[in-house]
Amino acid sequence: EAGVAQSPRYKIIEKRQSVAFWCNPISGHATLYWYQQILGQGPKLLIQFQNNGVVDDSQLPKDRFSAERLKGVDSTLKIQPAKLEDSAVYLCASSLGPPNPLGAKNIQYFGAGTRLSVL
Amino acid sequence: SQQGEEDPQALSIQEGENATMNCSYKTSINNLQWYRQNSGRGLVHLILIRSNEREKHSGRLRVTLDTSKKSSSLLITASRAADTASYFCATDRFGSARQLTFGSGTQLTVLP
Repeated sequence: EAGVAQSPRYKIIEKRQSVAFWCNPISGHATLYWYQQILGQGPKLLIQFQNNGVVDDSQLPKDRFSAERLKGVDSTLKIQPAKLEDSAVYLCASSLGPPNPLGAKNIQYFGAGTRLSVL
Repeated sequence: SQQGEEDPQALSIQEGENATMNCSYKTSINNLQWYRQNSGRGLVHLILIRSNEREKHSGRLRVTLDTSKKSSSLLITASRAADTASYFCATDRFGSARQLTFGSGTQLTVLP
């Protein structure tokens, strides 16, 4: 089974530039997540999709970050304009869903991430 | 916000020894999961323990959960150099939309 695919693996940009990340989840996984992981910290959820609808984007800085999952499969995360503090690894994850309080459907499968450096 | 907090932040042991990592959290949970992250890679799910379970085993991994103390521990027995990684606990909070809240992680180094 193919895993979660992310691209690019690395990106270096200058502040105020724009950048986009792409994620293709595991086939059949309804739920897709974007996380931001700053060096030395755990992942922080930015946005969660269920199929092509947004479940939670409460921690997404909407003045500069946007994300979409138009056909309920792959997704893009965009930052425009980037700030120095956006330097981090951006992780995409997917889970089978729909949510089950006690079941295994909420195990998340992660991509390798995109390491963003904003100079 | 980070619900889970791991302890210790860093742990260095010799190959063959056991490694124990602890996680504390703040609110009621449906389940708690442990993930491993090798340097420069994504997270890999290790084990899930439900709120009504107290202990779970998977190979060399043993997880305990004490909901009264809001804490969990991960024990890796007979550690190997390949176990060197960061380990994160993640809580699936009661009432959340199946979101996981990750702790800050324990960096485990297993010396050959």
